[in-house]
Amino acid sequence: DGGITQSPKYLFRKEGQNVTLSCEQNLNHDAMYWYRQDPGQGLRLIYYSQIVNDFQKGDIAEGYSVSREKKESFPLTVTSAQKNPTAFYLCASSHPQETQYFGPGTRLLVL
Amino acid sequence: ELKVEQNPLFLSMQEGKNYTIYCNYSTTSDRLYWYRQDPGKSLESLFVLLSNGAVKQEGRLMASLDTKARLSTLHITAAVHDLSATYFCAVDNFNKFYFGSGTKLNVKP
Repeated sequence: DGGITQSPKYLFRKEGQNVTLSCEQNLNHDAMYWYRQDPGQGLRLIYYSQIVNDFQKGDIAEGYSVSREKKESFPLTVTSAQKNPTAFYLCASSHPQETQYFGPGTRLLVL
Repeated sequence: ELKVEQNPLFLSMQEGKNYTIYCNYSTTSDRLYWYRQDPGKSLESLFVLLSNGAVKQEGRLMASLDTKARLSTLHITAAVHDLSATYFCAVDNFNKFYFGSGTKLNVKP
């Protein structure tokens, strides 16, 4: 089955800790995206990548980092510099000029 | 920067009624997308509108695109409770997607 997966479903972060959210797709999409969604709000773009080994900052990149070493993988690290990381994180992928397919999401909570 | 505005942001309606959600965007684009999000879930693609005058229909939902007016509409016909969700429109510009704030639809029995 083709699709996009995210893990873990829930993630707990301690103060000062870096955590990494996984995103994998087997749709052969070139473009991948990370969004943050706060309760009752819309989506805000964190980072996106249109090709392997290249990525661009979105609107709220501070406190986050990404890598794109493989076409199918686009992990997001939430660093200790992100002071308010509690949110629902969504990964998406797409072919150029086509709709995005979203993963199931990861809920990040701060302990 | 490209802006996408949806209205209304909240919509409470009775079953069986019709209503329209509006999506305006600020720059030229020939591609507009509609997504649905159920509470606590991810987004799923509903419609892809690729040209001026495009109209797509799925069940009680119909989406249209007017690129000259930079306006898309999502029309709900004879609403049912199962349509209760948040609906997002989005525009892509050089593969960067811009989303509206979402319209939270509540269909009351």
